[in-house]
Amino acid sequence: GEDVEQSLFLSVREGDSSVINCTYTDSSSTYLYWYKQEPGAGLQLLTYIFSNMDMKQDQRLTVLLNKKDKHLSLRIADTQTGDSAIYFCAESTSGNTGKLIFGQGTTLQVKP
Amino acid sequence: EPEVTQTPSHQVTQMGQEVILRCVPISNHLYFYWYRQILGQKVEFLVSFYNNEISEKSEIFDDQFSVERPDGSNFTLKIRSTKLEDSAMYFCASSATGGRGYTFGSGTRLTVV
Repeated sequence: GEDVEQSLFLSVREGDSSVINCTYTDSSSTYLYWYKQEPGAGLQLLTYIFSNMDMKQDQRLTVLLNKKDKHLSLRIADTQTGDSAIYFCAESTSGNTGKLIFGQGTTLQVKP
Repeated sequence: EPEVTQTPSHQVTQMGQEVILRCVPISNHLYFYWYRQILGQKVEFLVSFYNNEISEKSEIFDDQFSVERPDGSNFTLKIRSTKLEDSAMYFCASSATGGRGYTFGSGTRLTVV
């Protein structure tokens, strides 16, 4: 069945790069997303990548997609304390309904 | 920037009571969704709605749940007889085309006591 897996926790120092990894199982995924959730808040779309792309860069964010290994990563350059949050990877499954399957989220802790 | 609006932000209800969670999707979006997140767990898909009918639902979305788009702007999730395990954050989302341009609301925290 469809499944998305992420590591649960990442701790980095302010100014370092963070890399959050995600694996998925559905090879027919069309879009893959990264969402950020701050404590008690909703889901903020950070970026997404279409499945025929390998890489997408958006300011401090770089998304890499390895379709063969079904591996997605989010790199945050120059990580700031304000980047501390839970980061969710999600895939959009095949078909027209556009349902998203989420990973369990990676808690990013940024130490000053 | 257009937003998905959810009300209330927090609702406390007695077990067995009916609750209605409300959402106003982005006006030109055609696909509507409800998701839930039990504290500390994954965000889980509940139901998708397109062209005034349910297009897909998960196994969580049993007969206790229903959705409605009563007036062309609101999108509601009703839970008929709430259980303790329905306590969660419920997110509404809408998209212009299925799978793209998803926008989530800020959620309704439902607490069943």
